[in-house]
Formats: sequence, C-alpha cells, structure tokens
Amino acid sequence: DQQVKQNSPSLSVQEGRISILNCDYTNSMFDYFLWYKKYPAEGPTFLISISSIKDKNEDGRFTVFLNKSAKHLSLHIVPSQPGDSAVYFCAAPRWGGSQGNLIFGKGTKLSVKP
Amino acid sequence: DTGVSQDPRHKITKRGQNVTFRCDPISEHNRLYWYRQTLGQGPEFLTYFQNEAQLEKSRLLSDRFSAERPKGSFSTLEIQRTEQGDSAMYLCASNKGGSTDTQYFGPGTRLTVL
Repeated sequence: DQQVKQNSPSLSVQEGRISILNCDYTNSMFDYFLWYKKYPAEGPTFLISISSIKDKNEDGRFTVFLNKSAKHLSLHIVPSQPGDSAVYFCAAPRWGGSQGNLIFGKGTKLSVKP
Repeated sequence: DTGVSQDPRHKITKRGQNVTFRCDPISEHNRLYWYRQTLGQGPEFLTYFQNEAQLEKSRLLSDRFSAERPKGSFSTLEIQRTEQGDSAMYLCASNKGGSTDTQYFGPGTRLTVL
C-alpha cells in the first residue's frame, strides 16, 4: 500500500527554468512532510519540510506547497541548476505527527541540462 | 566530519553467509533508524532505537535480521543466512527525537548477495 506516491519517475528541465516535483498521499493522519535529495552512492540529504498548519514553506531556491484538501504537495526549484540533478524523495512520518519512522515515495529523478 | 557514518560502504557476500553492518550516529542524537532501499524504491523503514531501547520493528525485519544498540551510541545490523533478496542499500539515520526533528542519513552500506 503506497501511502506516499510520486508518480513521475523522472523529470528533465533546462538550466535556469523551474522544476516542479509532485507528491500525493493517501493517509489523512499525515500532517508533516519532508523532501530529501539523493545523489548516487550517497545517503538522502534533507532538503525542506512543511507542516500541515502551513500551505507553503520557502528556503532559498526551494519552495514546498501543500494542498491538504487534494492530499498533494509539490517542490518547486527556481532557478534549476545542473547540481540539482538527483533523485528527490517525498516522505512523511508513518504514524502522523512530525517524528518517527518515515514513509518514502519511490522518488523522482531530476535531470537539469545546461 | 560529524555526520552519520556507516561501515562498510560495500559488502559482497555469498548466499547463506552472515553479515554485520555498523552505524555511528551524530554524537548527541538519541534516536537511530535503519532503512533499506532497493532499486527503484524509496527507503523502507526497518527498525529504530531510542537510546539502547529498540522501540519499533517493521514486518520487513524477518527473524534473520537483528539490530542492536548496546550502549545507546553506535548500532549494528546483522543479517544471518543471507539471501539474494537481501541485496540492497542499508541506510542508517539519526536525530534527537524532538518535535519536527529531521532525520539525518549516513552514506549507506551496499550489500550484494551472490
């Protein structure tokens, strides 16, 4: 049962343009979400998070939007840079709340072309 | 480097052999998590510790798997009688366990069972 879904396995964008990565979830208990970035042969690196009391959180070039009614969140990267090329995972604490073990989506591989 | 470290980074073994992996968390972190990642999937939770207590285990953690954190610092994950299906990246993460506390991942141990 895939409670966190990333339906696009890959995304390719041009350097300088916007990258939009999407994530859907099914469990209404989820109220805290995280995005991780993963380079090959490395562990995931935390990127940005959002609590359900907000609908937007911004950190530099990265912004996460949360639409609770649609159970959908998205990560925007503006402007995209070649160094952003990686696999991006959406995750949520399994038992709700803001901590505990995480459920991850399958990831979206982002390629940013110079 | 004060991040999460894992040893070894790579392990190749023959089916039926036992293997043990080690994780050293960030020093002041009292929670430690083990995840497994297979090709095309996001990390999947295996187990976690608060200090030396193992508080949760996934159904993925069969009786061939055992994890310990004897002094509440480093942790070991042992797989007995390895099977080809155990081939995966084994990831360790740690955090302080407070509200909205992000999990920080190590580089992982890549296990290949021949």
